This record gives sequence, C-alpha cells and structure tokens, in this order.
Amino acid sequence: AQSVSQHNHHVILSEAASLELGCNYSYGGTVNLFWYVQYPGQHLQLLLKYFSGDPLVKGIKGFEAEFIKSKFSFNLRKPSVQWSDTAEYFCAARTGTASKLTFGTGTRLQVTL
Amino acid sequence: NAGVMQNPRHLVRRRGQEARLRCSPMKGHSHVYWYRQLPEEGLKFMVYLQKENIIDESGMPKERFSAEFPKEGPSILRIQQVVRGDSAAYFCASSTTTSGGSLYNEQFFGPGTRLTVL
Repeated sequence: AQSVSQHNHHVILSEAASLELGCNYSYGGTVNLFWYVQYPGQHLQLLLKYFSGDPLVKGIKGFEAEFIKSKFSFNLRKPSVQWSDTAEYFCAARTGTASKLTFGTGTRLQVTL
Repeated sequence: NAGVMQNPRHLVRRRGQEARLRCSPMKGHSHVYWYRQLPEEGLKFMVYLQKENIIDESGMPKERFSAEFPKEGPSILRIQQVVRGDSAAYFCASSTTTSGGSLYNEQFFGPGTRLTVL
C-alpha cells in the first residue's frame, strides 16, 4: 500500500530562516504529489502540486518543491520564512487512477519573531 | 462563491449516541470526499461519493459508519453508537468531477468537524 512520510513533526525557525520540510512516498508507479497548508483555525489549502514535467514546482506564497524520483521525495522549501507561515504542512500523494489522497502525518511549523 | 461548508464545527457526543456530520460542497461540485484526522496523525481517506452513489468506501470502518450524498442536500457522514476512539477531526473535500485517472480536479477542503466523544 502506498504511504507518505513526513519525518519532521515540529519545526521551529526564526523569521528569515530558510525552510525545508521533508516528504517521502512509497509507490513505484505514476504518482501525483501535493503540499497543503493549514493555518490555525482554517481549512486546508493547496500550496502546490506536481504531476509531470519540470520537477521543480513553484507554488503560492513563495513556496517551491522539488520532485526527486530516485529518492521518492518531494521536499518543500522556502528561502526566507515569515511569521505568517506558522501553520501545519501536509504532504499528500495520489497514485494510479485513484481519486483519494494519501496524506503524511503533517509538520507543524512555528516561526518566531 | 462560498467554499466547502461543514457543520457543526464542533460536536460533542456521549458514548453510544449517534453523530451526524454534514458537508455542503462548493457550488458546481458533484464529488465529495471524507477524511478523518486522528490526534497526532495525518488525514486518512474514508469515502468518496458522487450524487446518490458511493464510488470508493475503502477507508470506511466496516461497522457503525455510513455516508450518503443525496440528490438534494448535503453529504452526511453518520456514526452510530460512537466510542471514544471516534474522537477526531472529520474533513470533507469536494471537486468538480472525478480526481481520478489522468484528470485531476483539485479537491477543496472544508474547515472540518471536530468530534469529541465523552
């Protein structure tokens, strides 16, 4: 069965620090990958997605992610975080012909001033 | 254009009672997905429905849980005889058409219903 792993459960950064959140998936076939963000008290929002083509995907709010097929990874990055980036970040995958999304356990990012 | 609506936002039930969670998809969306988030875990898929049809219920517990999406009205996730282990956040998502195959239509998520079983 497919799975998605996020190894960083809680990350604390100072403003302007660079961010990289890890995401690994286990599935050998065609996979679509997503990063969602959930700000405190709000619903999940799509940050970015990868389907095919350029493995470096740019999303909203200055986020980007790189798909590395050989490493089964799709890490999320941002060069300089802001206090407003404090939120929970979820990596998700969709495989084959399925409609459902498989989520990682999430990473709680706390940005301090 | 209103997003996905879920109600109630918070629901408290005693063991043995029934819980009914409602999801109104975005306007124009006919596909609904339910996910459950247990404490300290990620969202886990439960069921995928179209109007009047259950398409994929591979994530639904075999007993006590049921879902429907009638021709008119919201989608309902129903949990009978709730137990403490049912305490979780339940999220609904909707899309315009299927998100399967080579066609992907973004799933838009609601704010969730937080169920607490005493």
